[in-house]
Amino acid sequence: EIVMTQSPATLSVSPGERATLSCRASQSVSSNLAWYQQKPGQAPRLLIYGASARATGIAARFSGSGSGTEFTLTISSLQSEDFAVYYCQQYNNWPPLTFGGGTKVEIK
Amino acid sequence: QVQLVQSGAEVKKPGASVKVSCKASGYTFTNYAMHWVRQAPGQRLEWMGWINTDNGKIKYSQKFQGRVTITRDTSASTAYMELSSLRSEETAVYYCARDLGRQFLVVDYWGQGTLVTVSS
Repeated sequence: EIVMTQSPATLSVSPGERATLSCRASQSVSSNLAWYQQKPGQAPRLLIYGASARATGIAARFSGSGSGTEFTLTISSLQSEDFAVYYCQQYNNWPPLTFGGGTKVEIK
Repeated sequence: QVQLVQSGAEVKKPGASVKVSCKASGYTFTNYAMHWVRQAPGQRLEWMGWINTDNGKIKYSQKFQGRVTITRDTSASTAYMELSSLRSEETAVYYCARDLGRQFLVVDYWGQGTLVTVSS
């Protein structure tokens, strides 16, 4: 089973600043990596798949990069609605599909 | 618009089983696979299994093998997840989640979640 590790666990950022979230896989997942956003009491929302492709309707301030074992989600200028928990998910080796532990982006 | 509507919250005793339904609308049910994912309070998302809604092919996480059963009723555009031998630590929100395709393995739509509470 591929283990996904996200860092940091919590990221404190001021509105308008850039946020950089990291996700590491225990072995290569090629570019088969997705990112989700989850707000309290809500289901997750797909942001990025294929490591860098934005899902339908996702704002351009969200971008993904990386391949192999190291991945990054960047939010270029944080908006109030972006404060949430972000999860990465690998889909290269399955079953199972596996998720990271999440990064909480909070207001500084 | 795509909607996945799940059945309501459940309270179960340890050792019991629970069956959660997920009714899909707004798209052709058999064109997209369905996943089941759960999330215990404050924990990460945990994938349980997947069903190809067209041909019925299923894959489960080995963690749940033997205790989870995923089925679908194409005439009702509904998927089901049944989990048996429940333990208290399995109190969680259980989600159905639509695949981007038949086996893209990325989720683009989620149900509202079903809270399953396991308590004596």
